[in-house]
Amino acid sequence: GDSVTQMEGPVTLSEEAFLTINCTYTATGYPSLFWYVQYPGEGLQLLLKATKADDKGSNKGFEATYRKETTSFHLEKGSVQVSDSAVYFCALSQQGAQKLVFGQGTRLTINP
Amino acid sequence: EAGVTQFPSHSVIEKGQTVTLRCDPISGHDNLYWYRRVMGKEIKFLLHFVKESKQDESGMPNNRFLAERTGGTYSTLKVQPAELEDSGVYFCASSQDPNTEAFFGQGTRLTVV
Repeated sequence: GDSVTQMEGPVTLSEEAFLTINCTYTATGYPSLFWYVQYPGEGLQLLLKATKADDKGSNKGFEATYRKETTSFHLEKGSVQVSDSAVYFCALSQQGAQKLVFGQGTRLTINP
Repeated sequence: EAGVTQFPSHSVIEKGQTVTLRCDPISGHDNLYWYRRVMGKEIKFLLHFVKESKQDESGMPNNRFLAERTGGTYSTLKVQPAELEDSGVYFCASSQDPNTEAFFGQGTRLTVV
């Protein structure tokens, strides 16, 4: 079945550092890919998504590019802030927003 | 506009007891999903309602779990009897249609002792 693998956390960075959280997937066909974020005390929020190969999703300074050839959807941000501290989940779906398949999550802590 | 609301936020019960989790979706959202995250692992799909009908319940772990959505509004997820391995965070999400963004609630943290 479909699966998503994320880099294990926790990840701790200093403010203004460059961030990469790796995500690779195994799936049939052409799934949609997502990054969700869970800030402390809040629910999961959609951060960005890409629905086809070579699409780039972006939001709040974060970017991820759908790479079919490497089955990857790595999350990047050029300069992180303390407010980016959260748990980040990579996910895929074969059916729009239905039946999301998530990775195990990566806890990110940004120190001032 | 109110978001997806889940009750309770935390629940601690003893093994063998019954617990009922509730989810109130965003008003007008016909699609409602349950997911759970067990012991810091990946979040796993449990089931999908379209209005009051179960569209897909392939992720339900066993018959100790019963989900309902009477009237197509709020949904409940009952665990009876609860086992230790049921501990985790249960998330509910809703969407207007299956191809639009699913909005998640804060989750219910269930601890079975």
